[in-house]
Amino acid sequence: DTEVTQTPKHLVMGMTNKKSLKCEQHMGHRAMYWYKQKAKKPPELMFVYSYEKLSINESVPSRFSPECPNSSLLNLHLHALQPEDSALYLCASSQGGAGLRITDTQYFGPGTRLTVL
Amino acid sequence: AQSVAQPEDQVNVAEGNPLTVKCTYSVSGNPYLFWYVQYPNRGLQFLLKYITGDNLVKGSYGFEAEFNKSQTSFHLKKPSALVSDSALYFCAVSQLYNNNDMRFGAGTRLTVKP
Repeated sequence: DTEVTQTPKHLVMGMTNKKSLKCEQHMGHRAMYWYKQKAKKPPELMFVYSYEKLSINESVPSRFSPECPNSSLLNLHLHALQPEDSALYLCASSQGGAGLRITDTQYFGPGTRLTVL
Repeated sequence: AQSVAQPEDQVNVAEGNPLTVKCTYSVSGNPYLFWYVQYPNRGLQFLLKYITGDNLVKGSYGFEAEFNKSQTSFHLKKPSALVSDSALYFCAVSQLYNNNDMRFGAGTRLTVKP
C-alpha cells in the first residue's frame, strides 16, 4: 500500500479563519513533507518532518504552522492567510531512516485545493 | 544548489508513436533523479528514479529513462504512447549533502492524440 491520504479535498476560507489540513500514511514512513503547488507550476517544498521532528522549514510565513502528532499524521494549521496562498497543498512521505535519505522515493497524496477569499 | 530544467512546456505525440520528455540537470556531485506524473487535480505519482547502476531505468506504466552523465540528461521515454499518458510530467533531482531535498523542474505537459 503506497497511499497517502489528505483531507479535506477542497477548502475555502476567509482571511480571518483558522483551518487545518490533514495528511495520513500507514506505510511506516518516518519522513513527511508539505508542498505548495500553484497552477501550472512545480511543487515547492514547505516543510519536512523526520522522525516527527521538524527538520526543514523553507522560510515559510508563520501563518502556516505544521504539526506532526505521530509518525502517521501530519497537519498544517492555517491562520490569517492571504488570497495569494490559494494553491494545491500536497503532502508526501518517504521511508526515511537515519535522518532523511534523499534517495528515497516520495509518495504523494492527492492534495487539498485551498481557496482563500 | 541542484536544479533541473525541462526545456519543453508542451509535447504532443500521436497515439502509438514513441514519446520523449526531456530533462537536464545541474548538480555539483552525484545526482539522484526522479520522474513523477500528475493527472488533473491529483497529486504526483512516482514513475521511476535513478540512483546508481544501469543508465537505463525502467519504471511504471511502460516508461523508462536514460541517465546520460556526459550530457547531464535524464530523458523520459516510452516506445508507444497511449492517450491515457496525457498528463503533466515533472523531473526532479536530489543531491547528497544537501538537506533541501528534491527540486522539481517546471513540468512538461504531454498530450497524446488518438
